[in-house]
Amino acid sequence: AQSVSQHNHHVILSEAASLELGCNYSYGGTVNLFWYVQYPGQHLQLLLKYFSGDPLVKGIKGFEAEFIKSKFSFNLRKPSVQWSDTAEYFCAVNGGGSYIPTFGRGTSLIVHP
Amino acid sequence: EAGVAQSPRYKIIEKRQSVAFWCNPISGHATLYWYQQILGQGPKLLIQFQNNGVVDDSQLPKDRFSAERLKGVDSTLKIQPAKLEDSAVYLCASSLGASQTDTQYFGPGTRLTVL
Repeated sequence: AQSVSQHNHHVILSEAASLELGCNYSYGGTVNLFWYVQYPGQHLQLLLKYFSGDPLVKGIKGFEAEFIKSKFSFNLRKPSVQWSDTAEYFCAVNGGGSYIPTFGRGTSLIVHP
Repeated sequence: EAGVAQSPRYKIIEKRQSVAFWCNPISGHATLYWYQQILGQGPKLLIQFQNNGVVDDSQLPKDRFSAERLKGVDSTLKIQPAKLEDSAVYLCASSLGASQTDTQYFGPGTRLTVL
């Protein structure tokens, strides 16, 4: 079965610290990769996505993610986090022959001012 | 632009009762999705519609769950009868097309508690 793993379930950082959230998937073949964010009290929204081209993808609010095919990974990064980045982050994947998007269990990020 | 609307926002029922959720997607969006998100987990797709046809419902527990999208706009998701394990947030999302790379826009969700 296709699966998506987010190894960091809870991350606590101070403002200006660098962030990297891991995401690994088990699909073979062509995949489409997404990071979604849910800020407190708000809807789930797309942060960035990759489906072809440059494996380094830039999203909103200074976030970026790198697709490394050989490692089946799509890690999310931000060089300097802000208090407003406090949120739940979800990695999602579709492809590998399936249209069904599979989400990871999410990473809760808390940024202390 | 108005977002995806869902109602109710919260619902508490007892097991074996029935419940229905409503979703109004973004105007012009052909594709509509229903997800179940259990506490501590990521969203799980239950059913995907394109216009008023079902694209995928392989993960929908059809013995108790049903969904429809009459006229290709609004959609309802029903659970009958509910079980304790159905306690979750039910998310509706829509996208302009049905491509795997289309951006999905999510609603606020309906939090269901089954006692």
